Amino acid sequence: ILNVEQSPQSLHVQEGDSTNFTCSFPSSNFYALHWYRWETAKSPEALFVMTLNGDEKKKGRISATLNTKEGYSYLYIKGSQPEDSATYLCASSGSADGLTFGKGTHLIIQP
Amino acid sequence: DSGVTQTPKHLITATGQRVTLRCSPRSGDLSVYWYQQSLDQGLQFLIHYYNGEERAKGNILERFSAQQFPDLHSELNLSSLELGDSALYFCASSVTEASYGYTFGSGTRLTVV
Repeated sequence: ILNVEQSPQSLHVQEGDSTNFTCSFPSSNFYALHWYRWETAKSPEALFVMTLNGDEKKKGRISATLNTKEGYSYLYIKGSQPEDSATYLCASSGSADGLTFGKGTHLIIQP
Repeated sequence: DSGVTQTPKHLITATGQRVTLRCSPRSGDLSVYWYQQSLDQGLQFLIHYYNGEERAKGNILERFSAQQFPDLHSELNLSSLELGDSALYFCASSVTEASYGYTFGSGTRLTVV
């Protein structure tokens, strides 16, 4: 069983500021690292799936990096907007098993 | 609309009862996963089906069972319900058997009273 930890649990950021948060996971038996964005009353939406050490992915103002040797991933948001407010979930998987999710980072963007 | 359909959206039932949650995966997806989110817990993996066959089990109680039918829809059966089973139950689907990023449904909110 993999244990995925996310920090911080919650984060308040001023509109226009950039921010980042962390996901740590056991590096043994690693297959893929996932980031999801989850807005209240909606379903989690996939942002990135990363598998290779050193992977870096970008989608608009959001990007993520992966370090499989030390077992961490960072999610960055540049120039935060109110619509970025959501819970960001990180999950790790080993082959065909289901994902092991962290408890998420709850991000609130203040105008 | 993500393409993954879960019904019902809300369910209130009494302790000791049995309920069935239904999930229709996105068109073309063969894998269906079930997750449970209880208060203050992250999403907990319950079970994975691929093309009708069970592939992996997570933290699924013996009182819970699931199946995937020939048309690929899946049902999660919860029996002898307890107050602690109150949670949000998500279904997710993907094309492949591997967990290569999948699409979540909007969830079923189960309340056991």
